Amino acid sequence: EVQLVQSGAELKKPGESLRISCQGSGYRFGTYWISWVRLVPGKGLEWMGRFDPTDSNTDYSLSFQGHVAFSGDNSISTAYLQWSSLKASDTAIYFCARQTPQQRYAMDVWGQGTAVTVSS
Amino acid sequence: DIQMTQSPPSLSASAGDRVTITCRTSQSIYKYLNWYQLKPRKAPKLLISGASSLQSGVPSRFSGSGSGTDFTLTISSLQPEDFATYYCQQSHIPPYTFGQGTNLEIK
Repeated sequence: EVQLVQSGAELKKPGESLRISCQGSGYRFGTYWISWVRLVPGKGLEWMGRFDPTDSNTDYSLSFQGHVAFSGDNSISTAYLQWSSLKASDTAIYFCARQTPQQRYAMDVWGQGTAVTVSS
Repeated sequence: DIQMTQSPPSLSASAGDRVTITCRTSQSIYKYLNWYQLKPRKAPKLLISGASSLQSGVPSRFSGSGSGTDFTLTISSLQPEDFATYYCQQSHIPPYTFGQGTNLEIK
């Protein structure tokens, strides 16, 4: 079964750092981009950017550039989303998703989501 | 960035109804348009890619059409499990922007 499994919910304080993970299985991890998507309760989905496991190339939405960083480890089929200094406004659910040119870059497989709460 | 205008923002309908959701883009995206379904406490689900390609396992009552700047998602006969929020998304040029969402509610 093709799946992406994300790390568990996090409760952090403003200014703290955080890294969440997304592990793929059931397919060749390195052959698909991994995109990250934010869902703020009561608001819509926002595409944050993408990570290419083949060459570690990244592409960030301007709304998130400089505040988050994407990385990965192909040896364990895992992609990461990290913050060096969290803000209360980072409170949201974060999804990773697989993107493929075979489907015009649609996101066909999604992780279950990681809830991040930032509160003092 | 490519702007997405999705309408309506909300829609009340009954089981068995036919509903249509539209998505307009600020520039041509050819057929790089995808539709997702989002339910509470679940991951988004890809319904349609490339404007009209139904994903495996998605019921045939869902269909998509359009190209260029104007797209539609149609549900031919609503079922109880279809009440959810629907999003369009362009995958032509990064950032791969989403529409604002359509909340489909039970009338």
